[in-house]
Amino acid sequence: DTGVSQDPRHKITKRGQNVTFRCDPISEHNRLYWYRQTLGQGPEFLTYFQNEAQLEKSRLLSDRFSAERPKGSFSTLEIQRTEQGDSAMYLCASSETSGRVNEQFFGPGTRLTVL
Amino acid sequence: DQQVKQNSPSLSVQEGRISILNCDYTNSMFDYFLWYKKYPAEGPTFLISISSIKDKNEDGRFTVFLNKSAKHLSLHIVPSQPGDSAVYFCAASPNAGNNRKLIWGLGTSLAVNP
Repeated sequence: DTGVSQDPRHKITKRGQNVTFRCDPISEHNRLYWYRQTLGQGPEFLTYFQNEAQLEKSRLLSDRFSAERPKGSFSTLEIQRTEQGDSAMYLCASSETSGRVNEQFFGPGTRLTVL
Repeated sequence: DQQVKQNSPSLSVQEGRISILNCDYTNSMFDYFLWYKKYPAEGPTFLISISSIKDKNEDGRFTVFLNKSAKHLSLHIVPSQPGDSAVYFCAASPNAGNNRKLIWGLGTSLAVNP
């Protein structure tokens, strides 16, 4: 399967704990995006990487959130000191750098539940 | 402030008929529009897109129409099939540098009845 993969698919944690999610984009895609989706809403942009460089972060990404893409391939999203309001589906998407740059392909998401 | 609006939360259509899903936007900087389909507990799946320099794009049973003057686009599915039942999201991308982040509507839940 050459699509975008995310791990884990589900994560249940207690408030105050740290969690880390992983995203493996489509191999030839240089651009990688993280979004967050809550019930009844569309996805909201969190952050964007081009290769290993994190080029933009949304105001939604508080200091407790950090994302990395160390070798320009997979990416991780870490949430420190989780809060109940962090409960959401975290989606990763990737796209090409040239050609069909606007079409983002999504992984299955990681559903986070903070108790 | 919702820059991409899908004013119909749900739509029910008979199998074989046309489904028309609508989307309005407010930001003139948007230059690319996409439709995604989403099943529960899965990520969005790309369906079809259209650049702002076009007014129509067709792919099989799916056609997207763009009316720039009205800031309105629509997705037509003909003929509708029960497997099309899902939530459909309209998304737009602003012409603002390399970051082609998507701004999303709230979605329309389509039910195609056999």
